[in-house]
Amino acid sequence: SQTIHQWPATLVQPVGSPLSLECTVEGTSNPNLYWYRQAAGRGLQLLFYSVGIGQISSEVPQNLSASRPQDRQFILSSKKLLLSDSGFYLCAWSVQAGSYEQYFGPGTRLTVT
Amino acid sequence: KNEVEQSPQNLTAQEGEFITINCSYSVGISALHWLQQHPGGGIVSLFMLSSGKKKHGRLIATINIQEKHSSLHITASHPRDSAVYICAVSTFRHSGAGSYQLTFGKGTKLSVIP
Repeated sequence: SQTIHQWPATLVQPVGSPLSLECTVEGTSNPNLYWYRQAAGRGLQLLFYSVGIGQISSEVPQNLSASRPQDRQFILSSKKLLLSDSGFYLCAWSVQAGSYEQYFGPGTRLTVT
Repeated sequence: KNEVEQSPQNLTAQEGEFITINCSYSVGISALHWLQQHPGGGIVSLFMLSSGKKKHGRLIATINIQEKHSSLHITASHPRDSAVYICAVSTFRHSGAGSYQLTFGKGTKLSVIP
């Protein structure tokens, strides 16, 4: 069966510090991968998606970047965090080639102080 | 205007009540999803539907494609149903290699009181 992992579960970081959140998927190959952010009082917003190793599409201009160094690994990064980067970050995956369903990880709650 | 609108934003119900959460969307979709987000933040998928009606236990989801509207019903509500319920629609994006992507409503926070 497929599972998706995210870590850390919670993170408190000062403004200006770097960020690295990791997401890994087990039990499937060549998945589509997604990073979402849920800011306080707002709906989930797609940040990045990837259809393959090294292929990253960004949905909104921002202070964050994403990378996919391996087939089932998706990393969200920032060189210098802003207060506005606080939120709940969710990684998700879907099967390639026409699947509508996405499966979500447990999420990382990031607080920038 | 958001592409996906949910109502109500907040809902408080007594245990045992019948609950309805509504979702309207303004774009052509491939499918509509109902998700449940627990207080800790984890999200689980409840339903994915593109027509008609689906039922799972005390949960029922319906969709009217012509009216671009979906409802999530909970019968005999229970305090453990307290959560945020999120409507999301799948649309196909042609950018890059293309993929189905989700657009989310802001969620409905449900509190069921014993």
